Amino acid sequence: EPEVTQTPSHQVTQMGQEVILRCVPISNHLYFYWYRQILGQKVEFLVSFYNNEISEKSEIFDDQFSVERPDGSNFTLKIRSTKLEDSAMYFCASSDSGQPQETQYFGPGTRLLVL
Amino acid sequence: DAKTTQPPSMDCAEGRAANLPCNHSTISGNEYVYWYRQIHSQGPQYIIHGLKNNETNEMASLIITEDRKSSTLILPHATLRDTAVYYCIVRVAKAAGNKLTFGGGTRVLVKP
Repeated sequence: EPEVTQTPSHQVTQMGQEVILRCVPISNHLYFYWYRQILGQKVEFLVSFYNNEISEKSEIFDDQFSVERPDGSNFTLKIRSTKLEDSAMYFCASSDSGQPQETQYFGPGTRLLVL
Repeated sequence: DAKTTQPPSMDCAEGRAANLPCNHSTISGNEYVYWYRQIHSQGPQYIIHGLKNNETNEMASLIITEDRKSSTLILPHATLRDTAVYYCIVRVAKAAGNKLTFGGGTRVLVKP
């Protein structure tokens, strides 16, 4: 069964450093998302992406964040200068189309720890 | 998107049906009810969704009341692996690119 994959599974970085989180969405999917979950808190939407453009972004997704689809298979989230409060699980999701009953499928997540 | 209300936690006996309620009294006519679950810290897993008819798949059944103001997710024979946080999400499925808004969910503990 096709699934969303994410790398790395864990990332430890120093405050102020740049990190890139990678995702490989399901192969025929066209819509991509990033969510995050701070430990003990709710899953929060960050950004959605379609046709090489951001469709929607949350208030969390400020200028320190960017997304890219560098090739036909990868979808990346970059945090330019990490802060302590960026420590969280980051989940990538994808969906297949603009059908009314779109379903998003999530990857296993990347646990980011900023020291 | 309409807000949902779920009990914070519930226990269920292994092998028995688990009935998870969700209230969404402000739901609009074009909003779907989605259920996801999250096992430990894994990525949310899609379970089922529906608009107004009851739905069933290999994982669960979804019962939506006639007025659509509430719904129940039924896990017919709960196993220990069904221990997870279950999220009821209501959102307009007008086009892709719509975010999912997660609440606190119901923490379900399946006991032997």
